[in-house]
Amino acid sequence: DGGITQSPKYLFRKEGQNVTLSCEQNLNHDAMYWYRQDPGQGLRLIYYSQIVNDFQKGDIAEGYSVSREKKESFPLTVTSAQKNPTAFYLCASSPNGPNGYTFGSGTRLTVV
Amino acid sequence: QQQVKQSPQSLIVQKGGISIINCAYENTAFDYFPWYQQFPGKGPALLIAIRPDVSEKKEGRFTISFNKSAKQFSLHIMDSQPGDSATYFCAASLQTGANNLFFGTGTRLTVIP
Repeated sequence: DGGITQSPKYLFRKEGQNVTLSCEQNLNHDAMYWYRQDPGQGLRLIYYSQIVNDFQKGDIAEGYSVSREKKESFPLTVTSAQKNPTAFYLCASSPNGPNGYTFGSGTRLTVV
Repeated sequence: QQQVKQSPQSLIVQKGGISIINCAYENTAFDYFPWYQQFPGKGPALLIAIRPDVSEKKEGRFTISFNKSAKQFSLHIMDSQPGDSATYFCAASLQTGANNLFFGTGTRLTVIP
């Protein structure tokens, strides 16, 4: 079945450590997105990529980094510079534009 | 600046009742308005979407009402069921350009038996 796979589902890290969240899609979608979800704040865009080897900052990119070396993969690194990294992270993809936006099941990151 | 404002933050409805969630947007260039449904621990899933050339779209028990002049749109869930209990997000986007979705803050719906 086609879809988006995020791994791991739960992730615990010590403060000050970088951590990378995985996102893989087999939908042949061109665009991929990373969102952060916090209670009462909806979904906030971290980074997005419309094509391989290109990506753009979203509204809350500080403390995060991404890469898009393959069409299928869009990993997100939460760096030690992110002041409040504990959150639910969602990856999404779309073929072109907002139609057909498909989300993964998310990764819950807890920094202790 | 919140591009899409959503209310209420939470909603409790009796089984069989009507659930209504409202959203307002600022950018008059938005031309695609989807609603997403999210269950705990899962990613959001597209529920229904509308474009501004129509005032209403219905799919089963779910209806979007759209008021272009007021820059508002709403989701109505008829005959609400306990299985509808979830968080609902409205969103808006441009069909051209970066095509990013701007999300509302979400409404947590609880349908009590």
